[in-house]
Amino acid sequence: GQQVKQSSPSLTVQEGGILILNCDYENDMFDYFAWYKKYPDNSPTLLISVRSNVDKREDGRFTVFLNKSGKHFSLHITASQPEDTAVYLCAAGANQGGSAKLIFGEGTKLTVSS
Amino acid sequence: DMKVTQMPRYLIKRMGENVLLECGQDMSHETMYWYRQDPGLGLQLIYISYDVDSNSEGDIPKGYRVSRKKREHFSLILDSAKTNQTSVYFCASSCGTGTSAETLYFGSGTRLTVL
Repeated sequence: GQQVKQSSPSLTVQEGGILILNCDYENDMFDYFAWYKKYPDNSPTLLISVRSNVDKREDGRFTVFLNKSGKHFSLHITASQPEDTAVYLCAAGANQGGSAKLIFGEGTKLTVSS
Repeated sequence: DMKVTQMPRYLIKRMGENVLLECGQDMSHETMYWYRQDPGLGLQLIYISYDVDSNSEGDIPKGYRVSRKKREHFSLILDSAKTNQTSVYFCASSCGTGTSAETLYFGSGTRLTVL
């Protein structure tokens, strides 16, 4: 089964709006959570990440919220801009257990309309 | 300029042919990865390499093998390609020893079509 799942395959928002992308995971051992951004025909790049010792991390317009008891994390984007249009991939992994394996979700295609 | 480079960008092969996808990185990263991306499935890990000649299967290794003879190069090999191996393949590297999850630096991908 899919260990990391994004509930929305696509999302559209008006420029300037606030949007939330969601990600659910199954493995209790995950303690590293990340969001990657991918433009068409381009490589995924890290947008923001958080470790499980905090439940929130903010970087400019982007904030990750972590709910460990609910096995859920989300990406909030404020003041959305047309250049935010991309595919967003959530990912989770463990910092213990000796593996660098990151498990990715299916991706959410975000469109910001001007 | 930190970079992961994949060659080729686009490749068309016939079923049963051998395929070689190459990846290089200039960051002296120990750990390298091969993922494939399919619609509705996200990125799936094929192989991890922890250093030269130290490779480990990922979640979907069947039908693939890898080679890492130099730290900066990591190759993915398909012996006798199948049509269900049509996909976009991403190589990535990370700066740690591969024992914990961390930032991945991805190449631009190779779009492989197997006819």
